[in-house]
Amino acid sequence: SQKIEQNSEALNIQEGKTATLTCNYTNYSPAYLQWYRQDPGRGPVFLLLIRENEKEKRKERLKVTFDTTLKQSLFHITASQPADSATYLCALEVNTGKLIFGQGTTLQVKP
Amino acid sequence: DGGITQSPKYLFRKEGQNVTLSCEQNLNHDAMYWYRQDPGQGLRLIYYSQIVNDFQKGDIAEGYSVSREKKESFPLTVTSAQKNPTAFYLCASRGGDQNSPLHFGNGTRLTVT
Repeated sequence: SQKIEQNSEALNIQEGKTATLTCNYTNYSPAYLQWYRQDPGRGPVFLLLIRENEKEKRKERLKVTFDTTLKQSLFHITASQPADSATYLCALEVNTGKLIFGQGTTLQVKP
Repeated sequence: DGGITQSPKYLFRKEGQNVTLSCEQNLNHDAMYWYRQDPGQGLRLIYYSQIVNDFQKGDIAEGYSVSREKKESFPLTVTSAQKNPTAFYLCASRGGDQNSPLHFGNGTRLTVT
């Protein structure tokens, strides 16, 4: 079955550093991958989408890479701020219309 | 303001009772989704619907039922057959093509005792 894995351990970093989160997947060749941010008690909010033919995508301080050979996406937040503290989720469309999520990685940025 | 509304925010039920969670969207999106989230875990797909009057089971559909009689509404019923119904339930919608992102509501936290 399709599987998406993210680092289950929380990531703690110092303000100003770069945070790097990992999303690995198996048994599937997705056409694209999405990243979302979720704050406690709220629904996830879409951040970025990267297609299989794109190696890298940027949006302000965010950068996503997609390696279809390794079956891995990396999500980077540069110059991190305490306001970036949240849980970050990756998602894939495994069948038409069916999107599944990883378990999420919680990021804590300390001032 | 366009968006997805889930109600209520908190819901309490006794074991053995069915309960229906509401999800309404005014984004004119064709596709709608229900996910379940347990503490410290990611989202697991319960049901999804790509068009009115049609829906498919997700990965954990047992003990749940849905209907999609109107484009803007996708209610989820948690039946007494669901073994562990206490969870945070998230509804989402998606429009446009298959690359489009999901738009989520702010969830309903269901507690069954």
